[in-house]
Amino acid sequence: EDQVTQSPEALRLQEGESSSLNCSYTVSGLRGLFWYRQDPGKGPEFLFTLYSAGEEKEKERLKATLTKKESFLHITAPKPEDSATYLCAVQDATGNQFYFGTGTSLTVIP
Amino acid sequence: AAGVIQSPRHLIKEKRETATLKCYPIPRHDTVYWYQQGPGQDPQFLISFYEKMQSDKGSIPDRFSAQQFSDYHSELNMSSLELGDSALYFCASSSVISGNTIYFGEGSWLTVV
Repeated sequence: EDQVTQSPEALRLQEGESSSLNCSYTVSGLRGLFWYRQDPGKGPEFLFTLYSAGEEKEKERLKATLTKKESFLHITAPKPEDSATYLCAVQDATGNQFYFGTGTSLTVIP
Repeated sequence: AAGVIQSPRHLIKEKRETATLKCYPIPRHDTVYWYQQGPGQDPQFLISFYEKMQSDKGSIPDRFSAQQFSDYHSELNMSSLELGDSALYFCASSSVISGNTIYFGEGSWLTVV
C-alpha cells in the first residue's frame, strides 16, 4: 500500500537554528515527490518537485533532497516567517493520484 | 501568473442542504483534482479529471459528485450535507507542461450547521 510518513509532527526552532524535516515514502513507482508549504486556512503553496534519487533543489533557506526511500527538507537559519506546515506528497506511476503525508508543523521562535 | 481560482471562498449551509463549489484551473492545465482537508489533517484526495473525463476516484462520498466542463472548469456538488462535511475543499490543477506538479487554489471553506 502506498504510504507517505512525515516526521516530526511538530518542530519548534529558535530563529537561526537549522534543522531537517523528513518524508519517508513507499509507492509503486515514484513519478515525483513534492514539497508544499501551507499556512493556516490557505492552499498548499508549491515549493519543490524531485524526480529521481540524488536530486537536490534549493530555494532561499530551503533545500530538498531525495533518496530512494525518503526526502529531506533542510531549513538553514530559519526565520519566524518560515513558520508553517510543510507537506510532502508523492505521485505514483499512474500519475493519477498524489499521496500526502500528514505534515510537519514548524514554529520558528524569534 | 494565473493561479487556480476557487469559488466561493466561504460557504455556510444547513444539514441536508446542497452545495456547489467551482474551480477554474490554471490556463492550459488539463487535469483537475479535488481534495478535502479537515482541521489539523492532511488533504484527502476526492476525485480527479483529465481532459474532462474522470481519471481517478478517492474517498469521495456517494453524496458528492463532480464533473469537468468543456472549458476545463470543474464543479463539486455535495448533497445531503452532514456536519462532518465541514472542511476546506481544495481544487488543484496540473499538466505535463508543468512537470505534473499540482498547483492548489486557496480553497473553499464549507461550514455545515
